[in-house]
Amino acid sequence: DTEVTQTPKHLVMGMTNKKSLKCEQHMGHRAMYWYKQKAKKPPELMFVYSYEKLSINESVPSRFSPECPNSSLLNLHLHALQPEDSALYLCASSQDRTSPHYEQYFGPGTRLTVT
Amino acid sequence: AQKITQTQPGMFVQEKEAVTLDCTYDTSDPSYGLFWYKQPSSGEMIFLIYQGSYDQQNATEGRYSLNFQKARKSANLVISASQLGDSAMYFCAMTLTGGGNKLTFGTGTQLKVEL
Repeated sequence: DTEVTQTPKHLVMGMTNKKSLKCEQHMGHRAMYWYKQKAKKPPELMFVYSYEKLSINESVPSRFSPECPNSSLLNLHLHALQPEDSALYLCASSQDRTSPHYEQYFGPGTRLTVT
Repeated sequence: AQKITQTQPGMFVQEKEAVTLDCTYDTSDPSYGLFWYKQPSSGEMIFLIYQGSYDQQNATEGRYSLNFQKARKSANLVISASQLGDSAMYFCAMTLTGGGNKLTFGTGTQLKVEL
């Protein structure tokens, strides 16, 4: 099973709201990732967790707060977002992050609209 | 820093024909991984095929093959016997040893399969 699930599929939120995106995998992978993708652009890495510890933060604004409660779950907490944060948010996982030779498996994404 | 270049913004192919999507990369790291992903309009990134920098043979996965020419730093994707369901955006990507399995994506090629 190479499935990564994400909820919700769609999210509309105001600039003063607090919401969370959720991601889950049951492949035993020890690395999990958050990407942001704007329309007609490639995904951009936001965060990487390795063995439940944050290992890479690509200078993401603090209004995005990641959390990895356990090895299967990854959350992205959203607060005081801006309209330009509207995008497709993709979660991915891989066996681990120590090798460049492990493929990443992506979830279906959450389409976020900030009004 | 590594870089991935996809020079074909859009491609058309007739159903049942083969098509080649171009990808060139630039890195001085001797150990790296090359990946192709498919992204239908639904948004999910689907892993297609992987090629390691030390692999002697070209990777194949069903109708997908990767034409790896190391000296030319190219990693073209060949799709044989195109199907309507192959219509999607295709991204070439790479990771480096020591890069934390961080995927760097090209700009993508939009493929449309016609009857």
